[in-house]
Amino acid sequence: QKEVEQDPGPLSVPEGAIVSLNCTYSNSAFQYFMWYRQYSRKGPELLMYTYSSGNKEDGRFTAQVDKSSKYISLFIRDSQPSDSATYLCAVMWLMDSNYQLIWGAGTKLIIKP
Amino acid sequence: GAGVSQSPSNKVTEKGKDVELRCDPISGHTALYWYRQSLGQGLEFLIYFQGNSAPDKSGLPSDRFSAERTGGSVSTLTIQRTQQEDSAVYLCASSPHGGSGNTIYFGEGSWLTVV
Repeated sequence: QKEVEQDPGPLSVPEGAIVSLNCTYSNSAFQYFMWYRQYSRKGPELLMYTYSSGNKEDGRFTAQVDKSSKYISLFIRDSQPSDSATYLCAVMWLMDSNYQLIWGAGTKLIIKP
Repeated sequence: GAGVSQSPSNKVTEKGKDVELRCDPISGHTALYWYRQSLGQGLEFLIYFQGNSAPDKSGLPSDRFSAERTGGSVSTLTIQRTQQEDSAVYLCASSPHGGSGNTIYFGEGSWLTVV
């Protein structure tokens, strides 16, 4: 079992829909949770970052962490064709004075006009 | 610079040749990562540098791959005797160290094609 599981998709939804992207993780030591967006032929860019259970909102994006279930989600409201990209979750934790980082496989999202 | 800078952005090389890929991290960032990403795939960890500590090379796929980081800043990833399966985008990322809330920032990648 991978330490971070993410469905690779693709996930195809109509414009304006609410999108839910999810990752599960196995290690309760994970401390920081991030979502990155990667457009085709570009490097990943940070979208959202959080370290506590609960919701964090930024415009149309909401990151949700449930540490008891080891589940992280990214919600996109009023989805736009420009949101079409691959979304990667990542978890980070401090071990022996160094940050360790694990990535999900990425979910390809397609927003249909 | 404002972001992580990688060069070359695109490289086509013949099988068996050596290639060097360069990464200029964000100024002041002590942590530097190299990842490989094949078409439609997730990120494959290659190597991690943190300050003056010995690098974590656990992700390097073979002894044809090596990386160095000079002066705690610029890093070079070298692939010797390239093979077609080395074709991928090589992504560099950097991160500040210390305290909570560290996140990493990626460059645009070096797109390597081995023919």
